[in-house]
Amino acid sequence: DIQMTQSPSPLSASVGDRVTITCRASQNIKRFLSWYQQKGGKAPKLLISVASGLQNGVPSRFSGSGSGTDFNLTISSLQPEDFATYYCQQTYSTPYIFGQGTKLDIK
Amino acid sequence: QVQLQESGPGLVKPSETLSLTCAVSGGSMRTYYWSWIRQSPDQRLEWIGYIYTSGRTNYNPSLKSRVTMSFDLSKNQFSLSLTSVTAADTAVYFCARDDTTGVIDHWGQGTLVTVSS
Repeated sequence: DIQMTQSPSPLSASVGDRVTITCRASQNIKRFLSWYQQKGGKAPKLLISVASGLQNGVPSRFSGSGSGTDFNLTISSLQPEDFATYYCQQTYSTPYIFGQGTKLDIK
Repeated sequence: QVQLQESGPGLVKPSETLSLTCAVSGGSMRTYYWSWIRQSPDQRLEWIGYIYTSGRTNYNPSLKSRVTMSFDLSKNQFSLSLTSVTAADTAVYFCARDDTTGVIDHWGQGTLVTVSS
């Protein structure tokens, strides 16, 4: 199985900060990488697919980058509603593996 | 807008079978994969597998010997069966839509299943 490792975890930041969450795959997954946001016991929400494809309705302060084994999720200016847990997921091959999650909390 | 809703027992005894159903509304079930994903108490997400409307399935090898998924197009629902459960199967179980590339674009709200005697 392809393993996914996120860092840092947890991550403390302030409103207005620019933050980057990193996801590393154990082998080359090209650009088959998605990012999800999960808040307070609810289901995850898809933010980005294929490494950098922003989903409809997701604010433009979110962006994704990377290819191969190293990927980033960047939030350009944190808003209060962005404090949540973020997960990456590889979709290169089954079983589709998720990262362990990065909890973003208020500093 | 597609909506998914899980249903099933919240408590299952060890060694018994966990059975969940997911009702889909607001869209066609054709041309998508229909998935189950679970989240353990330590918040890790685990992909269980998917079923296509043709009946084709793809299961996580770590669970494959215990998992069966099925489909009922007439009722717009699909189901999960997990046999011989242990405490390690305690989790929130989500049903979800996979756009056929592995990307999960719609999720149910999740249902907590506890394995305990």
